[in-house]
Amino acid sequence: KAGVTQTPRYLIKTRGQQVTLSCSPISGHRSVSWYQQTPGQGLQFLFEYFSETQRNKGNFPGRFSGRQFSNSRSEMNVSTLELGDSALYLCASSLGPGTEETQYFGPGTRLLVL
Amino acid sequence: AQSVTQLGSHVSVSEGALVLLRCNYSSSVPPYLFWYVQYPNQGLQLLLKYTTGATLVKGINGFEAEFKKSETSFHLTKPSAHMSDAAEYFCAVFPRGSARQLTFGSGTQLTVLP
Repeated sequence: KAGVTQTPRYLIKTRGQQVTLSCSPISGHRSVSWYQQTPGQGLQFLFEYFSETQRNKGNFPGRFSGRQFSNSRSEMNVSTLELGDSALYLCASSLGPGTEETQYFGPGTRLLVL
Repeated sequence: AQSVTQLGSHVSVSEGALVLLRCNYSSSVPPYLFWYVQYPNQGLQLLLKYTTGATLVKGINGFEAEFKKSETSFHLTKPSAHMSDAAEYFCAVFPRGSARQLTFGSGTQLTVLP
C-alpha cells in the first residue's frame, strides 16, 4: 500500500498570506490528524478529522483550520500567516475510532514564513 | 491530561553498544504507547507500539520496548547500535478514552559514534 502523501513538500510564504496544505491518507484509513513540529514547541496536535467531521482540536488559534473530503483526503489552511507559523506540518492517518489507533505519518510539508 | 517525559534530549553511544532511550508517561489509565523515529528532513516512522497483551514489544530495525505499568515506563532498547540508528526518537501516548490525540515526548537525539 502507498503511504501517507503530503503536498507540497516545501513552501515559502510571506507574513499575512494564507496557505493550504494537502494530505492523502493510506488507502482504507478514514481518520486524518495534523501536527505542527517546531524546534521550540516540539510536536503539537492541531486537529483530527473522521468521516468529514472534526472530532478533536488542539490548542491553536482559529487561523488554523482544516477539512476532510468524502475520499478521506484532508486539507489544512492557515490564514494570515505569522513568522511563528514556520514549521514542519505533519499529517497522519489511521483506521479510525474503535481500532488500535496506530497513526502513520507522511513526510511533512515544511513551511517557511518570511 | 496525559504527559510524556523523555529523559535525555541527547544520547550518544558507540557503535555496537547498547541503546537505551527512556520514556515515562503520566496517566491514570495505561494508554496506548508508541515509539517513532525521525530521520533528518523526513516524517515520523513507527518503530513499535504497545496496545495490549505481551508487555515486551519487538519493533523494526532490532528495537524493542517493555511496558512496565508499575513504573509507568516504556523504555526503548537495542542491543547493538548501528551508525544508521542515528536519528531523533519520539515516545508518544494515545489515551484509551475519548480524547483522541497523540501526545509526544520532547524527543531524544541519538548519536552513534564510530
